[in-house]
Amino acid sequence: GENVEQHPSTLSVQEGDSAVIKCTYSDSASNYFPWYKQELGKRPQLIIDIRSNVGEKKDQRIAVTLNKTAKHFSLHITETQPEDSAVYFCAATLQSSASKIIFGSGTRLSIRP
Amino acid sequence: DVKVTQSSRYLVKRTGEKVFLECVQDMDHENMFWYRQDPGLGLRLIYFSYDVKMKEKGDIPEGYSVSREKKERFSLILESASTNQTSMYLCASRGTEDEQYFGPGTRLTVT
Repeated sequence: GENVEQHPSTLSVQEGDSAVIKCTYSDSASNYFPWYKQELGKRPQLIIDIRSNVGEKKDQRIAVTLNKTAKHFSLHITETQPEDSAVYFCAATLQSSASKIIFGSGTRLSIRP
Repeated sequence: DVKVTQSSRYLVKRTGEKVFLECVQDMDHENMFWYRQDPGLGLRLIYFSYDVKMKEKGDIPEGYSVSREKKERFSLILESASTNQTSMYLCASRGTEDEQYFGPGTRLTVT
């Protein structure tokens, strides 16, 4: 069945450094790849997404890259700040009106001051 | 602003009890989902519904059932709660756009 693998499970970086989280997916029909951020005690919220017709997308300090051939995508956070500390989930789905999103297992990112 | 609400933030039940978790969304979304979240296991899909009275099993449906009698409401039912169902339960909804909106979660403890 569909599967999304996410690495690493925990990541600690110095404030100001970059963080990279990587995911692979199994269903080659997947064409939409969102990333969610969940701060402690809060609900997951969408921070960025990418569609299969695009290789890279940026939003300020956050960027996502997609390699369809290899079936992997990555989240890049530059100039990390304390407020970036959270659990990040990648996900993959087939865009349609009735489809489920398959989530990765999550990465706990900690920013060291 | 999309709002997804869940009936309880914290719930404590005894083994064998029937448990109802309610989720309501106010954006006329077709799709609604129930996940459970456990440390190290991410968000695992229990059931989802793409229309009133329609339901599909997710990855871990065993021990759960769902009900969707109205478009805005999606209920998760634990017929006979067990201790291994102690978890955080998250409801979500999604319309024709891509973003999935989550509720605040219900932390269920079964003793």
